[in-house]
Amino acid sequence: QVQLQRWGAGLLKPSETLSLTCAVYGGSLSGFYWNWIRQSPGKGLEWIGEINHSGRTNYNPSLKSRVTISMDTSKNQFSLKLTSVTAADTAQYYCARDRPNCTGGWCCSWFDPWGLGTLVTVSS
Amino acid sequence: SSELTQDPAVSVALGQTVRITCQGDSLRSYYASWYQQKPGQAPVLVIYGKNNRPSGIPDRFSGSNSRNTASLTIAGAQAEDEADYYCNSRDTSGDLVVFGGGTKLTVL
Repeated sequence: QVQLQRWGAGLLKPSETLSLTCAVYGGSLSGFYWNWIRQSPGKGLEWIGEINHSGRTNYNPSLKSRVTISMDTSKNQFSLKLTSVTAADTAQYYCARDRPNCTGGWCCSWFDPWGLGTLVTVSS
Repeated sequence: SSELTQDPAVSVALGQTVRITCQGDSLRSYYASWYQQKPGQAPVLVIYGKNNRPSGIPDRFSGSNSRNTASLTIAGAQAEDEADYYCNSRDTSGDLVVFGGGTKLTVL
């Protein structure tokens, strides 16, 4: 069973860069999309972006100017960098696997598994 | 369009059936996926595709799609089903992921 384990700094100052890494255990990066999702305290889920097995990335337009998602296939892991953080970036950050596909005119896309959340706090 | 709309809160009596809905243009061509999130925990996938349940999800959970609306139905809601539920799909381009705002389910 695939498991995702994430790590990274949990406390940042405004203007610093958030860096998180998610390692994939029990499966390959190949054939899937690897995502970062966050949830501010008391709020809903917000998609940050993704990288697929070919290295193609898609980002939430509201965060695109500050986000970079990369992958290291040799280590079976993928990473998130978010620059110039502010208090508004304080959130639980999750990594998750997706495999969007389309058949017979219908498409589907789902996140499973999810890594445990990492609380990142931005405070001066 | 890249928005999914959910009712903020829904309640159901113990043992009764409840339906949680999600509306958006992308749902005319995308099946919604549904996630259950309990306080302090990561979301858990409960329904994906046309109407599929991951291993370990009780069969009282089911999903359906009609036009631009997806529904998650819990038949015979249990106390442990009290949680936040989120729907998800991609936008019509397929390049952007979208989440609904979430529905807080209270089991009375």
